[in-house]
Amino acid sequence: NAGVTQTPKFQVLKTGQSMTLQCAQDMNHEYMSWYRQDPGMGLRLIHYSVGAGITDQGEVPNGYNVSRSTTEDFPLRLLSAAPSQTSVYFCASRGQNNQPQHFGDGTRLSIL
Amino acid sequence: GQQVMQIPQYQHVQEGEDFTTYCNSSTTLSNIQWYKQRPGGHPVFLIQLVKSGEVKKQKRLTFQFGEAKKNSSLHITATQTTDVGTYFCAGPRNQFYFGTGTSLTVIP
Repeated sequence: NAGVTQTPKFQVLKTGQSMTLQCAQDMNHEYMSWYRQDPGMGLRLIHYSVGAGITDQGEVPNGYNVSRSTTEDFPLRLLSAAPSQTSVYFCASRGQNNQPQHFGDGTRLSIL
Repeated sequence: GQQVMQIPQYQHVQEGEDFTTYCNSSTTLSNIQWYKQRPGGHPVFLIQLVKSGEVKKQKRLTFQFGEAKKNSSLHITATQTTDVGTYFCAGPRNQFYFGTGTSLTVIP
């Protein structure tokens, strides 16, 4: 099993550009989440999904969109990148009943 | 804002010293999870506590869940350089929300 796969690993964008961070899991997990990690701020939840076709906002959703058309994939879209979105982004998945979260390796995103 | 707060934010210890990080929630938690993130890596699950007053051990690591299920702690006995990293607690609401983390540096 590959677990949780995130692509790309690194990305540099210019302000105003858009892009999609990809996340895929092969564990048939219903729950998937996107977090961003900034120094001193821990992991902050952006959006999450409890199953295909269902998404909801976390703590810091502004500037990001998500969709969940399949159980396996949960892409995160930046509509118009801003320097404040420079961060490390982690995707995670888990099974039901508060099972442990499995994290991808992260995407390191810089916005100039 | 953050559902759970952790203290301290940073901790430097000499190798062999003990280390403790504390996690506090303003609301009662049904359970709490602990994760470790090595520098440059991703968070990795360590343990889950469910019962009030629960204590679990993993070798030199001792995890406690408070009686009121609003706080938790992780204690490492005789730290080693392999313990370096950031330790997070996470509490569930409709999804898991992470604490701010404690970054541990171990000085050889």
